[in-house]
Amino acid sequence: GIQVEQSPPDLILQEGANSTLRCNFSDSVNNLQWFHQNPWGQLINLFYIPSGTKQNGRLSATTVATERYSLLYISSSQTTDSGVYFCAGEKNNNDMRFGAGTRLTVKP
Amino acid sequence: ETGVTQSPTHLIKTRGQQVTLRCSSQSGHNTVSWYQQALGQGPQFIFQYYREEENGRGNFPPRFSGLQFPNYSSELNVNALELDDSALYLCASGKTGAGGNTIYFGEGSWLTVV
Repeated sequence: GIQVEQSPPDLILQEGANSTLRCNFSDSVNNLQWFHQNPWGQLINLFYIPSGTKQNGRLSATTVATERYSLLYISSSQTTDSGVYFCAGEKNNNDMRFGAGTRLTVKP
Repeated sequence: ETGVTQSPTHLIKTRGQQVTLRCSSQSGHNTVSWYQQALGQGPQFIFQYYREEENGRGNFPPRFSGLQFPNYSSELNVNALELDDSALYLCASGKTGAGGNTIYFGEGSWLTVV
């Protein structure tokens, strides 16, 4: 199956700082998504981004499908951005593989 | 709000017992997937159901089984519970099609096996 590697594993920021999270895939994927998991376990879908660039407020994501990686940008971070960020991808439309996540802590 | 609901939210079972977890999918979605998330790890794919049939399975033993009903609700059954089955179990619904399969998660069921 596809291997998903996320970096960095942990990230501590001061409120207002910017950050970039990275996700590498061992094989090409045709469905790539970024999620945010809050402290209560809820996974929230941030982006569906198999290729290209998308933006949603302070968050944006870019996927370079030919090089099998995706980036999540967080600008002007807020304490509510804290949590674990996961990327996930699937090749065959029925087996979505997750990375181990990036744990983000934003300090006031 | 993702439109996906799971029950129960928390439960405690004894080793060797059986458990059934339930999920109600988002309206209009035709796939439902189940994931196991151990503490400090990413979700691990258990299986997916599409049109009431299993449509892909991860590396989980047969004692993990499921059902999908015509109204796209779903159950995850785990028999002969082991201590290592303690985890957050997540249900995700999606819709296959030309636009890919964006999935939406429920809030999960926290299972503790003692």
